[in-house]
Amino acid sequence: ETGVTQTPRHLVMGMTNKKSLKCEQHLGHNAMYWYKQSAKKPLELMFVYNFKEQTENNSVPSRFSPECPNSSHLFLHLHTLQPEDSALYLCASSQGAGFEYNEQFFGPGTRLTVL
Amino acid sequence: RKEVEQDPGPFNVPEGATVAFNCTYSNSASQSFFWYRQDCRKEPKLLMSVYSSGNEDGRFTAQLNRASQYISLLIRDSKLSDSATYLCVVRTWGGSQGNLIFGKGTKLSVKP
Repeated sequence: ETGVTQTPRHLVMGMTNKKSLKCEQHLGHNAMYWYKQSAKKPLELMFVYNFKEQTENNSVPSRFSPECPNSSHLFLHLHTLQPEDSALYLCASSQGAGFEYNEQFFGPGTRLTVL
Repeated sequence: RKEVEQDPGPFNVPEGATVAFNCTYSNSASQSFFWYRQDCRKEPKLLMSVYSSGNEDGRFTAQLNRASQYISLLIRDSKLSDSATYLCVVRTWGGSQGNLIFGKGTKLSVKP
């Protein structure tokens, strides 16, 4: 149990659907992150929120829209996705985004398939 | 050149073997270094941070060579439970914070 939960664990959606991924951390952390993990590629950072403020958008297409209503919750809203967006989407949290040896704790991920 | 490069493996070793993984990074401004472990169909978890002087945690030893921009992980007396993908991770500082850059990972399979 890592203290970071994600729902749903699996999601299949069509290209015209709108869906949302949810992440919740129970660790009292102040920074939350979205990563994408595709087959045969390294983890790619998508978004960073530090104290509820978005501090990083790593050139992510606008069809991915993050939301951070408070330090414990992070959402990723999805619309008009492409098949190449199929991947494992991982949420992570850490004490704060600016600490040198800051450990990031990952959730179990949402396995997304876009048809 | 990729920011963080690792040999993808797989490394297939017998129980009890010693195995070493290497990693190189391209940005000389990188400041913090880590090894994460990811089990099959699971999330990554921090295995150990890598300090300039090198550090050891039980059967695991990590070393850093800043001049060569090279990080290593040595696993002694391999156990079946060590089978996983080992991710080399680098934090490079820029702007207000540093973000983690992950390598693709090296897959280890320990056989009985």
